[in-house]
Amino acid sequence: DAGVIQSPRHEVTEMGQEVTLRCKPISGHNSLFWYRQTMMRGLELLIYFNNNVPIDDSGMPEDRFSAKMPNASFSTLKIQPSEPRDSAVYFCASSPRMNTEAFFGQGTRLTVV
Amino acid sequence: AQSVTQPDIHITVSEGASLELRCNYSYGATPYLFWYVQSPGQGLQLLLKYFSGDTLVQGIKGFEAEFKRSQSSFNLRKPSVHWSDAAEYFCAVTSDSNYQLIWGAGTKLIIKP
Repeated sequence: DAGVIQSPRHEVTEMGQEVTLRCKPISGHNSLFWYRQTMMRGLELLIYFNNNVPIDDSGMPEDRFSAKMPNASFSTLKIQPSEPRDSAVYFCASSPRMNTEAFFGQGTRLTVV
Repeated sequence: AQSVTQPDIHITVSEGASLELRCNYSYGATPYLFWYVQSPGQGLQLLLKYFSGDTLVQGIKGFEAEFKRSQSSFNLRKPSVHWSDAAEYFCAVTSDSNYQLIWGAGTKLIIKP
């Protein structure tokens, strides 16, 4: 299995632009998580999907952030408009079921200038 | 409140020396416990996990951890570290009634030659 695949690995964009991060979870996993990692705040859960349905989006910082999971093999996290404080590493992780370990992608390093 | 504490932000160990990274948790339910490692620029990789049974669990890369319920701890150990073990280590907890992992702040391991 190729593991969780995220794209792009790096993204540099100007403030105000739309950014879309992509994730392909491990086949057969029914839980998907989007995390954000920064030096100041550590690892933060943004949103959790179960069977493609958003279960908890309480970690999404603002309305500028949105996430979708149109099918079991694809999810996106969109930031519109982006701001410099959104600069961070964004991780997607998937899990075969609730209450077990999550498998992480390599992350997308986002820089908003 | 549910929480995970990793008391050491940084630990420096000489190559070949033994290692112990501390993790304490506060959790109302029976915990499921995990240790992850993150190398620079990489995602988080699962080292080991504890759900039940034998309280001493073996993981990858020669790591082990011991669950001590009376101390609410799940410390990670390795008898002899290698330079390639330099990374950040995260402890996490969940339970059968929770979908998300509660994360510690991480411990950065520095290896002295």
